[in-house]
Amino acid sequence: GAVVSQHPSRVICKSGTSVKIECRSLDFQATTMFWYRQFPKQSLMLMATSNEGSKATYEQGVEKDKFLINHASLTLSTLTVTSAHPEDSSFYICSASRGQGAYGYTFGSGTRLTVV
Amino acid sequence: AQSVTQLDSQVPVFEEAPVELRCNYSSSVSVYLFWYVQYPNQGLQLLLKYLSGSTLVKGINGFEAEFNKSQTSFHLRKPSVHISDTAEYFCAVSVPGGSTLGRLYFGRGTQLTVWP
Repeated sequence: GAVVSQHPSRVICKSGTSVKIECRSLDFQATTMFWYRQFPKQSLMLMATSNEGSKATYEQGVEKDKFLINHASLTLSTLTVTSAHPEDSSFYICSASRGQGAYGYTFGSGTRLTVV
Repeated sequence: AQSVTQLDSQVPVFEEAPVELRCNYSSSVSVYLFWYVQYPNQGLQLLLKYLSGSTLVKGINGFEAEFNKSQTSFHLRKPSVHISDTAEYFCAVSVPGGSTLGRLYFGRGTQLTVWP
């Protein structure tokens, strides 16, 4: 149980285009989803926290107009990288939580975004 | 605020040797503690977690960790490692309840490399 599906696993896009990444909880309802960005050889940086039906809470320094997060249902959250630039190239990982901490977090398999 | 320190960025060991990956945390409140493993270009997989109770926690793949409140540590151990244990390991904490919505605070990660 507690499976999170993230799609696509890899995407290459041209500079200036937008890319959407989906994160689905397959067998549970995710009240909260988290989006992380990971640079090579580094830890995960929390970008934003999204709760179903409300606006996402972005971490300091993360551009909310560039990284659009939508959490329209209890099983789906999307991250859209708008007007992508090469510096947006990174590994993006989502995580879903069923509650306040105790149940742990299930991570998606990540999306490797390359902007050319 | 919470913070997590993983003292070793890289730990090389020979196959069948024991290993300890160190993790210390800082928090003014009680926390939940986690260890995750990440294989290249993949998401994070939960190895084990400490919520309460026995301070010695056993996880998957033969790993265990011990919570030491006085030393604010949660070191990960395995008595005999395999080549397949080569991966990046992340220690993380979360705060139960409160306004942080259960977000995870990650350490910088420790690259475990097992040599034949």
